[in-house]
Amino acid sequence: SQQGEEDPQALSIQEGENATMNCSYKTSINNLQWYRQNSGRGLVHLILIRSNEREKHSGRLRVTLDTSKKSSSLLITASRAADTASYFCATDAGETSGSRLTFGEGTQLTVNP
Amino acid sequence: DGGITQSPKYLFRKEGQNVTLSCEQNLNHDAMYWYRQDPGQGLRLIYYSHIVNDFQKGDIAEGYSVSREKKESFPLTVTSAQKNPTAFYLCASSIFENEKLFFGSGTQLSVL
Repeated sequence: SQQGEEDPQALSIQEGENATMNCSYKTSINNLQWYRQNSGRGLVHLILIRSNEREKHSGRLRVTLDTSKKSSSLLITASRAADTASYFCATDAGETSGSRLTFGEGTQLTVNP
Repeated sequence: DGGITQSPKYLFRKEGQNVTLSCEQNLNHDAMYWYRQDPGQGLRLIYYSHIVNDFQKGDIAEGYSVSREKKESFPLTVTSAQKNPTAFYLCASSIFENEKLFFGSGTQLSVL
């Protein structure tokens, strides 16, 4: 079953703008991770945030986690055309999920030059 | 270069045929995973292995089989029992269970 759900399904912005993607989940988690996938390629890990953390940064990426609302957001600042890709959140709910990582269906981000 | 290698990149299966997808990693990771991705969808877990000689079914294991005889290798066989095998298959590995997965470049399987 899908634990994480991304919103929006698709997002189109201009280069230089910020992009925000959201992920909601249903059960308590150990950690939440964001991945990026270029078309026809494998996924690349971006950031992992643990349940006791509220915010993490990596370069132009900022991830927040609100465990009370069971949601996370990924912010990409000053976007570039090369950021065009699908972005997935994945949750590790520990034994609750049978000790597996569950992926959402992704947000397709298009950054127009 | 360290990494995870999937082969072939494209694979075609005839009806009634079993096919095997290769996944090799030289990252010294204990955990390995197989995911299936359908167009416009997220990833669904087929099988995973957290240690050599042990593996567990994921959410959609029916029609698939795996082996984990070596730490570096986790091949996936798509059997004739899998009636809808057309999909993009992704292999991944990680040092710790379910954290920071490294993915291969995928195998696109199609039915002739």
